[in-house]
Amino acid sequence: EIVLTQSPGTLSLSPGERATLSCRASQSIYSNYLAWYQLKPGQAPRLLIYGASSRATGIPDRFSGSGSGTDFTLTIRRLEPEDFAVYYCQQYGDLPRTFGQGTKVEIK
Amino acid sequence: QVQLQESGPGLVKPSETLSLTCAVSGYSISSGYSWAWIRQPPGKGLEWIGNIYHSGSTSYKASLKSRVTISVDTSRNQFSLNLSSVNAADTAIYFCARDSSVWGIDSWGQGTVVTVSS
Repeated sequence: EIVLTQSPGTLSLSPGERATLSCRASQSIYSNYLAWYQLKPGQAPRLLIYGASSRATGIPDRFSGSGSGTDFTLTIRRLEPEDFAVYYCQQYGDLPRTFGQGTKVEIK
Repeated sequence: QVQLQESGPGLVKPSETLSLTCAVSGYSISSGYSWAWIRQPPGKGLEWIGNIYHSGSTSYKASLKSRVTISVDTSRNQFSLNLSSVNAADTAIYFCARDSSVWGIDSWGQGTVVTVSS
């Protein structure tokens, strides 16, 4: 199965700052089928990005995804208070699907 | 707008079978997509358990494969998870979800907490 490694484990930033999250795959992801999700306590995960760089419906344009092959990045251009959460990457180009271990974006 | 809702016991005894159902509304399961179960143990990350296609074919996480069965009931528009021989490590929030091969997991249930304890 494809192993996804996210870094850093925790990102301590202030509102208004830029967040850069990394996701590295153990092998190339078919068709760059890489998604990013946001998870807050007590809520269902929210799809942010699919296909490595396409924003899901209703996602603000401060969220952007990039990368291909084995290296992917989620960028949050200017952090809003509601953006502090845990973010997961997931590959869906192969079975079984797999998730990264998550990056927590916390308020500094 | 598709909606998913998990249901099932919140407490399961060790060595018994965990059984959950996901009711889908706003979309017919038999129309396409695959339908997945994902869990999040306390203090840990998301773990993909497996999925089932509308055709009935399934795929499971390797480490759980011997204990997991996912099935679909198109007449009731729902799908189910059975996890046998549970232990404390199976304590988690369990999510059901719609899994697109193009867009990833685009719809999620709210999740249900399952505790394995005697």
